[in-house]
Amino acid sequence: GENVEQHPSTLSVQEGDSAVIKCTYSDSASNYFPWYKQELGKRPQLIIDIRSNVGEKKDQRIAVTLNKTAKHFSLHITETQPEDSAVYFCAARQFSGGYNKLIFGAGTRLAVHP
Amino acid sequence: GAVVSQHPSWVICKSGTSVKIECRSLDFQATTMFWYRQFPKQSLMLMATSNEGSKATYEQGVEKDKFLINHASLTLSTLTVTSAHPEDSSFYICSARDRWDEKLFFGSGTQLSVL
Repeated sequence: GENVEQHPSTLSVQEGDSAVIKCTYSDSASNYFPWYKQELGKRPQLIIDIRSNVGEKKDQRIAVTLNKTAKHFSLHITETQPEDSAVYFCAARQFSGGYNKLIFGAGTRLAVHP
Repeated sequence: GAVVSQHPSWVICKSGTSVKIECRSLDFQATTMFWYRQFPKQSLMLMATSNEGSKATYEQGVEKDKFLINHASLTLSTLTVTSAHPEDSSFYICSARDRWDEKLFFGSGTQLSVL
């Protein structure tokens, strides 16, 4: 089955700096990779996603890159702000038993210090 | 984005009782819903995939008789934790996918505490 590894587990940056979170996946058939942000006590919120036919996608301060050959994808947050502080999860879509499901990474706790 | 409603938000129950959690897609049809379990400061662990009109598909190690899932309509899935014990205490969160889209949206979660 699919296995998603995420690094780092914690990340601390100064306001205005960039933050990068990296994930690797094992199933070469996976073709959809979303990123979720979860604030304390709240539900995960989809912030950006990318499909395997695209190498990069950007949405304002957030961008995601995908390297299919290496089977890794990354989240880039530029000009970080304190409100970006949260836990970020990457995921990869796995096809199994006729259904597709998301397998999540372990999460990265991002702290942005003013 | 699409809205997924989950109730209740908090449940405290005695050991041995059963607890039902509801997950509804409010503004879209969801042929597939997923149930996850999340321990403090940990990731989302998929428990089962709920498909409208058919039996749920459980992940390895998840007891199907312990965690009963019913997906009776395109907008409602329920998870029943039967004969709950303290080790079942956790944060349970559902998610749903629009039948016409691949994006997954989450409910607000249910914190279950079994005394």
